[in-house]
Amino acid sequence: GAVVSQHPSWVICKSGTSVKIECRSLDFQATTMFWYRQFPKQSLMLMATSNEGSKATYEQGVEKDKFLINHASLTLSTLTVTSAHPEDSSFYICSATFGSGALQETQYFGPGTRLLVL
Amino acid sequence: AQSVAQPEDQVNVAEGNPLTVKCTYSVSGNPYLFWYVQYPNRGLQFLLKYITGDNLVKGSYGFEAEFNKSQTSFHLKKPSALVSDSALYFCAVRDGRAAGNKLTFGGGTRVLVKP
Repeated sequence: GAVVSQHPSWVICKSGTSVKIECRSLDFQATTMFWYRQFPKQSLMLMATSNEGSKATYEQGVEKDKFLINHASLTLSTLTVTSAHPEDSSFYICSATFGSGALQETQYFGPGTRLLVL
Repeated sequence: AQSVAQPEDQVNVAEGNPLTVKCTYSVSGNPYLFWYVQYPNRGLQFLLKYITGDNLVKGSYGFEAEFNKSQTSFHLKKPSALVSDSALYFCAVRDGRAAGNKLTFGGGTRVLVKP
């Protein structure tokens, strides 16, 4: 149980194009979804937190207009990297929570999406 | 504010030997502590968590961790390591008194279990 998927797993794009990454909770309705970025051999950096039907809350230093997050339903959140540049190349990971109380504390992670901008 | 430190970048252990991965934390309120494991080019897999209750927490794949409030530590342990345990391990914390459930991750510890 508590499976989170991401699509695509790999994407290569040209500089200036936009890329959309999907995050889905497959067997549960996600209370909250999180988007992280991970650089090689580094830890995860939280980019934003999103709840279904409301605007995402971005972390300090993350550009809202650059990284558009849409949480359209309780099982789907999307991250769009707009006008991507080589410095946006990274591993993007989403996570989701469900339930309430202590149960809601556990984040379940997707497999990640590796973005390479040429 | 919340932070977590994993003092070792890498831990090497022989298969069958005990494995310990260290983690210390700092929070203003109540610590909620987590361990995750990451295999190459994959997302994170949840191993275990401490929210409240017994200080010794048992998790997946034979792992356990002990919450030590006085030392502000939450070290991950496994009595007998397997080669398949070789991966990147992350400790994470959040302040239980803070709204929302944002996690702060440590820098990660790479575990290499040699046959």
